[in-house]
Amino acid sequence: EPEVTQTPSHQVTQMGQEVILRCVPISNHLYFYWYRQILGQKVEFLVSFYNNEISEKSEIFDDQFSVERPDGSNFTLKIRSTKLEDSAMYFCASRGRFYGYTFGSGTRLTVV
Amino acid sequence: DAKTTQPPSMDCAEGRAANLPCNHSTISGNEYVYWYRQIHSQGPQYIIHGLKNNETNEMASLIITEDRKSSTLILPHATLRDTAVYYCIVRVAMNYGGSQGNLIFGKGTKLSVKP
Repeated sequence: EPEVTQTPSHQVTQMGQEVILRCVPISNHLYFYWYRQILGQKVEFLVSFYNNEISEKSEIFDDQFSVERPDGSNFTLKIRSTKLEDSAMYFCASRGRFYGYTFGSGTRLTVV
Repeated sequence: DAKTTQPPSMDCAEGRAANLPCNHSTISGNEYVYWYRQIHSQGPQYIIHGLKNNETNEMASLIITEDRKSSTLILPHATLRDTAVYYCIVRVAMNYGGSQGNLIFGKGTKLSVKP
């Protein structure tokens, strides 16, 4: 069964550093998403991406965040200057035109 | 904010049916009911969705009331591996009116299946 692959599974970074979280969506999917989940809290929507541009973003997705699909297969989330409160699980998801979302297994980001 | 209300937790005996309720009294005519689950800290997993008819797949059944204000997810023979947080989500059909159909998660129901 096709999978969404996320790397790394765990990333530790110092406060103020830039991080890039990587995702390989399912190959024929058209819509791409990032969500995050702070420990013990809800899964929160960050951003959706379609046709090489952001289609919707939440209030969480401020100027410190950016997304890119650099080569037609990878989908990345960049956090420019990490804060302690950015520590969370980050989930990438993709979907085709008519089916439900497929989520990756997540990247656990720890900011120290 | 999520448009659904679910009990925070439920227990179920292994091998028995697990019936997870969801209230969505403000659901619109163009909104579907989706169910996802999250096992421990893994990514959410799609289970089933429906508009107004009852639906069944290899994982579960979805019963939607006639007025569409509530629904029930049924796991017919729960196993220990079904222990997870179950999310009921309402959202417009994909691509309706230009919407990308973003999922908005609530707190869900933590289902504990016990031996």
